[in-house]
Order: sequence, then structure tokens, then C-alpha cells
Amino acid sequence: KAGVTQTPRYLIKTRGQQVTLSCSPISGHRSVSWYQQTPGQGLQFLFEYFSETQRNKGNFPGRFSGRQFSNSRSEMNVSTLELGDSALYLCASSLSGVRGNEQFFGPGTRLTVL
Amino acid sequence: AQTVTQSQPEMSVQEAETVTLSCTYDTSESDYYLFWYKQPPSRQMILVIRQEAYKQQNATENRFSVNFQKAAKSFSLKISDSQLGDAAMYFCASQTGANSKLTFGKGITLSVRP
Repeated sequence: KAGVTQTPRYLIKTRGQQVTLSCSPISGHRSVSWYQQTPGQGLQFLFEYFSETQRNKGNFPGRFSGRQFSNSRSEMNVSTLELGDSALYLCASSLSGVRGNEQFFGPGTRLTVL
Repeated sequence: AQTVTQSQPEMSVQEAETVTLSCTYDTSESDYYLFWYKQPPSRQMILVIRQEAYKQQNATENRFSVNFQKAAKSFSLKISDSQLGDAAMYFCASQTGANSKLTFGKGITLSVRP
């Protein structure tokens, strides 16, 4: 079975631009979660989608948004980029997104904002 | 709010020796899961071991075992017979409530000396 894939792997943007990151979960997984990883803040939960619905959201500004498609693929969008948005964005998928389900992580998208 | 604390930023171990990574957590929930994740330099996060709070027996996965002290809210990871491939960043994480959101500690960088 193919693992979680994320595209693109690397992105360079400038302040004020917007960006869209994509995540394809493991086949059969219906839950997709997004995390931001930075040296200062560590790993922080952004949001979780299940069956095309946002089920849980972290403490991030409204510039961060996401969606999930009927095939469970997910995208996250960051508008009006700030320097502080530079980070590794990790996507994780699980079967049903309930507590105890193992989450499988993708390789991440490294976003650099100049 | 859930918190996970990893107070040691770095540790080093001699190959073939045993090392213990510390983690404490705080939650008001009675049912929860605890995890250790490994993030090698390639950045793909993988699950090392999982422990359900209701299970008194400490989880074990080959060379990896945990010491789960529920009353003390402590969850340490023991790596026996350390190998060069164990060098990575290790994150302790908790999962509470009905969903799959993970709350991570800051992580610890483990180096293995040949």
C-alpha cells in the first residue's frame, strides 16, 4: 500500500502571497490531519477532516484553511503569507480518525516565506 | 488543555547500550492514548509505540518499551540495544477526547555513538 504523499515537497513564497498544499492519504483512510512543525513552537495541530467535513480545528488564524475531497485527498491553504508561516507542514491520515487509530504521516511540505 | 513535556532536548547513547527518554503529560481525561513517534533526518514521522491509559501493562515493541506511570503522569521510552538507525528526533504525544488530534511534546534529539 502506498503511504501518505504530500505535494509539493518544497515551496518558496514571498510575504503576502497565498499557497496551497496537497495531501493524499493512504487508500481507505478517511481522516486527514494537518500539523505545522517549527523549531520554536514544535508540532502544532492545524485541523482534521473526515468525510469532507472539518471535525476539529487548532488555534490558528483564519488565514489557514483546508478542505477534503470525496476521495479523501486534502488541501490546506494559507493566505496572506507571513514570515512566521515558514515551517514544515505535515499531513497524517488514519482509518477513521477516532482516538487510538494510528496516524500515518507524510514526508511533509517545507514552506519558506521570504 | 492537554500538555506534553519533554524536558531533555538532547541525549546521546553508545551503540548497543540502553537509553531512556522521559516524558510527562497532563490531562483531565480518564481515557486517553500516549504515543512515541520517531522522526529521522529524512523527516517522515513514524509510530514507535502506543499505550492506552486503561491498560496497566506497559507496551513493548521489540527493542522499544515504555514505563507508564499513570498516577505520576509519566511515560518514558526505553530503547534497548541501541542501533545507529535509532538516531532521530523522538516525540511524545497524547491523544484524548473522541478524535485523533495529537498533542506533541517539543521532542528530544537522540544521537547514537558508534
